[in-house]
Amino acid sequence: EAGVAQSPRYKIIEKRQSVAFWCNPISGHATLYWYQQILGQGPKLLIQFQNNGVVDDSQLPKDRFSAERLKGVDSTLKIQPAKLEDSAVYLCASSWPLGRYEQYFGPGTRLTVT
Amino acid sequence: AQSVTQLDSQVPVFEEAPVELRCNYSSSVSVYLFWYVQYPNQGLQLLLKYLSGSTLVKGINGFEAEFNKSQTSFHLRKPSVHISDTAEYFCAVSFKYGNKLVFGAGTILRVKS
Repeated sequence: EAGVAQSPRYKIIEKRQSVAFWCNPISGHATLYWYQQILGQGPKLLIQFQNNGVVDDSQLPKDRFSAERLKGVDSTLKIQPAKLEDSAVYLCASSWPLGRYEQYFGPGTRLTVT
Repeated sequence: AQSVTQLDSQVPVFEEAPVELRCNYSSSVSVYLFWYVQYPNQGLQLLLKYLSGSTLVKGINGFEAEFNKSQTSFHLRKPSVHISDTAEYFCAVSFKYGNKLVFGAGTILRVKS
């Protein structure tokens, strides 16, 4: 079974530029999550999708971050414009629908904003 | 508000020695509990989980954890560590009626020869 795929693995941009990350979940997983992991901290949920609908985006900075999951499969997370404090690893995870609680994580995208 | 506290940011230990990584949580509702491991430049991998039933949970790579409801703790243990166990370990909670995971800040386990 293929795992959660993410690209790119690394990205360096200047502040005020825009960037996009892509995630392809495990086949059949209806629930998809984006987490932000700042150095020295645990991952923090940014947004959770159930199929192509948003379940929780309470911690997503909506003035600069956006995410979509068209057709309920892969997903894109965008930052526009980026700030220095957005430097972090962005992790994508997927799971079966509510009732099965194990989340499977991708390798992450390490973003450096200079 | 629900939160997770990992009491040690780093734990150095010699190879073949036992180790315990501590985790406490606060929640006003029932929880599910997890331990994840993260190797350098990799994503998180599930070590073990507590959903219900026996409070002693066994996971992969010889790790186990015990759920203590009265002390709101879920400490991770291994009787004999290997160099390959060097990694960062995250405790996380999920609430009964949602999948959202709340993570602790992580504990770096450094196994020395």
